[in-house]
Amino acid sequence: DTAVSQTPKYLVTQMGNDKSIKCEQNLGHDTMYWYKQDSKKFLKIMFSYNNKELIINETVPNRFSPKSPDKAHLNLHINSLELGDSAVYFCASSQVLAGFNQETQYFGPGTRLLVL
Amino acid sequence: QKEVEQNSGPLSVPEGAIASLNCTYSDRVSQSFFWYRQYSGKSPELIMSIYSNGDKEDGRFTAQLNKASQYVSLLIRDSQPSDSATYLCAATSGSARQLTFGSGTQLTVLP
Repeated sequence: DTAVSQTPKYLVTQMGNDKSIKCEQNLGHDTMYWYKQDSKKFLKIMFSYNNKELIINETVPNRFSPKSPDKAHLNLHINSLELGDSAVYFCASSQVLAGFNQETQYFGPGTRLLVL
Repeated sequence: QKEVEQNSGPLSVPEGAIASLNCTYSDRVSQSFFWYRQYSGKSPELIMSIYSNGDKEDGRFTAQLNKASQYVSLLIRDSQPSDSATYLCAATSGSARQLTFGSGTQLTVLP
């Protein structure tokens, strides 16, 4: 069973287009994340949702808009795609254990976006 | 700016040797530290987490944490070619839910 899944796995598109990436987790976690990994492998947090509420919103262009219809899903919509948006986008999820401040994030397989 | 820094490598070790990966972090209030392994073209996979000062061992892997020095390390004993990957160090910052990642160290284990 896939714990954190993303679709599509690959996305090739023209500059200026609008695209969406979907993420689903079946782990029962309450928090989901979007990360961007650039060509130098640097993994940077973009957004985080806890029980459908936005809790982390790093400095990303407002062309990127996350949406969480329920706590098992977190989608990422990107408007007016630019060349610099080419990267691998990872979804992740985690669950805080009561009484602890530690948690493990589990990553999806990634969506490889190439903007031409 | 909260940062996690790693030597980008590449680090090459012969098969059977000990690989030592190092990481420093800038946020003194960071509580939790993680090592992820990422094979080329794959997603990060958690291999170790550590929350208290000292050593934590899991099979061939040992994580070491020194909060006074703001230093985390990962030792891989009896390195195997299958250990060749990029190793990402991560630390919590601010709320426990935000992980800051280092840029990763590329490890190659030579047969």
